[in-house]
Amino acid sequence: EDQVTQSPEALRLQEGESSSLNCSYTVSGLRGLFWYRQDPGKGPEFLFTLYSAGEEKEKERLKATLTKKESFLHITAPKPEDSATYLCAVLLSGGYNKLIFGAGTRLAVHP
Amino acid sequence: GAGVSQSPSNKVTEKGKDVELRCDPISGHTALYWYRQRLGQGLEFLIYFQGNSAPDKSGLPSDRFSAERTGESVSTLTIQRTQQEDSAVYLCASSLVRGRVNYEQYFGPGTRLTVT
Repeated sequence: EDQVTQSPEALRLQEGESSSLNCSYTVSGLRGLFWYRQDPGKGPEFLFTLYSAGEEKEKERLKATLTKKESFLHITAPKPEDSATYLCAVLLSGGYNKLIFGAGTRLAVHP
Repeated sequence: GAGVSQSPSNKVTEKGKDVELRCDPISGHTALYWYRQRLGQGLEFLIYFQGNSAPDKSGLPSDRFSAERTGESVSTLTIQRTQQEDSAVYLCASSLVRGRVNYEQYFGPGTRLTVT
């Protein structure tokens, strides 16, 4: 069964304290892996797409990496405005276009 | 340009009533998706449209759920005889699809459905 697991479920950081969020996946075939940010009461906001192992993408304080079994979202020197739930999703190969989401990591950055 | 819009933003209904949720995708996006998000949980796929056809309805939880799409624009998700377990946020997303390349999905703000 195709599965996406995110860890930790929740993470509390002090402002400036760098860390990483993990997304591990067990799927029949990967066409792409997506990271989204979701603020309370809002829809997910697209951050990154990764297509192949070894690929990396960066945006401000965020950097996403991909291996054959997992992806990491590295947050460097976070600020309170980075507080949100970060969602990972995979797009399966084989003609299906639905995203399979993990449950998310709730990040709280305190000043 | 305008993003994905959904209406209503909130809907409270009595158990047993029917509800209709509307999604306006980004102009030019051929693919449209519906997801459900229960409180504190991840997103659960419901249905995917390519144009006005639905090649993947595998996530619809029961025959009380149906959806349609007019051309490459508006989509409506209908839930008949609502039950309390239908309470959730219903999210719509749209994306470009060119050939075999699926571009990122952009989400609307969601409709929060509460069944009393």
